[in-house]
Amino acid sequence: KQEVTQIPAALSVPEGENLVLNCSFTDSAIYNLQWFRQDPGKGLTSLLLIQSSQREQTSGRLNASLDKSSGRSTLYIAASQPGDSATYLCAVKDSGNTPLVFGKGTRLSVIA
Amino acid sequence: GAVVSQHPSWVICKSGTSVKIECRSLDFQATTMFWYRQFPKQSLMLMATSNEGSKATYEQGVEKDKFLINHASLTLSTLTVTSAHPEDSSFYICSAATGAGGYGYTFGSGTRLTVV
Repeated sequence: KQEVTQIPAALSVPEGENLVLNCSFTDSAIYNLQWFRQDPGKGLTSLLLIQSSQREQTSGRLNASLDKSSGRSTLYIAASQPGDSATYLCAVKDSGNTPLVFGKGTRLSVIA
Repeated sequence: GAVVSQHPSWVICKSGTSVKIECRSLDFQATTMFWYRQFPKQSLMLMATSNEGSKATYEQGVEKDKFLINHASLTLSTLTVTSAHPEDSSFYICSAATGAGGYGYTFGSGTRLTVV
């Protein structure tokens, strides 16, 4: 059974810092991996989607990498801003139309 | 892009009553919908998978008679929490797939249910 782990559980950084969020998964035979952002009491916003054949995806200040063989992904946030404060969730899809399996998330606080 | 509209965004109900949550795909046909539940400071846990026109598949530990899922059309899936109790208070969120497995899923905005 696929399990997704995210480290750290919480992170507090001063504005402007670059930071890395980590995600690991137990079964490397994934279809794709997705990073989401969730604001308190809100739904999910998709940030980046990496297919199993890809190694990274970039969107603005965000860069996500995927090392499928080792079961790891990282989300890199450059020049963090207070508006980046949220919970970041990593989720993997094992195949075709199967549901996503989520990690517990990393709660990020960026202090002005 | 694909949008899933979920209503209501929050609801408070009395213990013993039923609550219906709707998820609509606005600009695409959702052949499959996933329903998740999220308790405070926990991750999203899959409750059930519904395919249009067929019975939902429930995850272990989720009571199918308590959480009724209907996916009667390609654009609408509903979750009804029957005889709600305070322990059912949670954040419920749906996710839609178009059947094109290479794409990420689109999520609704979630429903905060409080049972008093």
